[in-house]
Amino acid sequence: SQQGEEDPQALSIQEGENATMNCSYKTSINNLQWYRQNSGRGLVHLILIRSNEREKHSGRLRVTLDTSKKSSSLLITASRAADTASYFCATDALEGGSEKLVFGKGTKLTVNP
Amino acid sequence: DGGITQSPKYLFRKEGQNVTLSCEQNLNHDAMYWYRQDPGQGLRLIYYSQIVNDFQKGDIAEGYSVSREKKESFPLTVTSAQKNPTAFYLCASSILLGGTGTYNEQFFGPGTRLTVL
Repeated sequence: SQQGEEDPQALSIQEGENATMNCSYKTSINNLQWYRQNSGRGLVHLILIRSNEREKHSGRLRVTLDTSKKSSSLLITASRAADTASYFCATDALEGGSEKLVFGKGTKLTVNP
Repeated sequence: DGGITQSPKYLFRKEGQNVTLSCEQNLNHDAMYWYRQDPGQGLRLIYYSQIVNDFQKGDIAEGYSVSREKKESFPLTVTSAQKNPTAFYLCASSILLGGTGTYNEQFFGPGTRLTVL
């Protein structure tokens, strides 16, 4: 089952511009995480934001969470060609009596030099 | 170096064969996970384990089997019963807080790309 959905599916920008990716989810959460995946590689954790937090920063990354709208956004400022990757949001979900991390389909970001 | 390793990086299988994908971690994490990723898709959970000698089915466990005999190791066997096994397989691990692993960041291996010939 799909909990998080990223938007847009693909994004192409020029180096130096900001990139914004959005994630919407369906049920209440305890936390939301963002991961990055370079082509053909494993995922790398970027940032975790808890349900009682509204905004979090890490370097050039800024994550917001709006639990009333069940949505989150990831902003990458002053993008670089090395930021080219797919970005996934993941939410914790309680399904069938078990808690698990549920990933969206991702946003593919291309930063052109 | 601490981390999580998967082998092999590429694996080719003939139809009807079982294959086993290796996953090892030296992070001292209690929880380990197996995911499947298809092109342009997110990750789907196959199996997970929160303690040695115990594991739980994920969303797409049919045609797969796992074992957790050691804390560091969580091998995945793709059996001949899996109808469409060609995919990218990712192993992950995490610490446990409050009795579950889902509140915490997961550390991923580099993945194994399985192709059925």
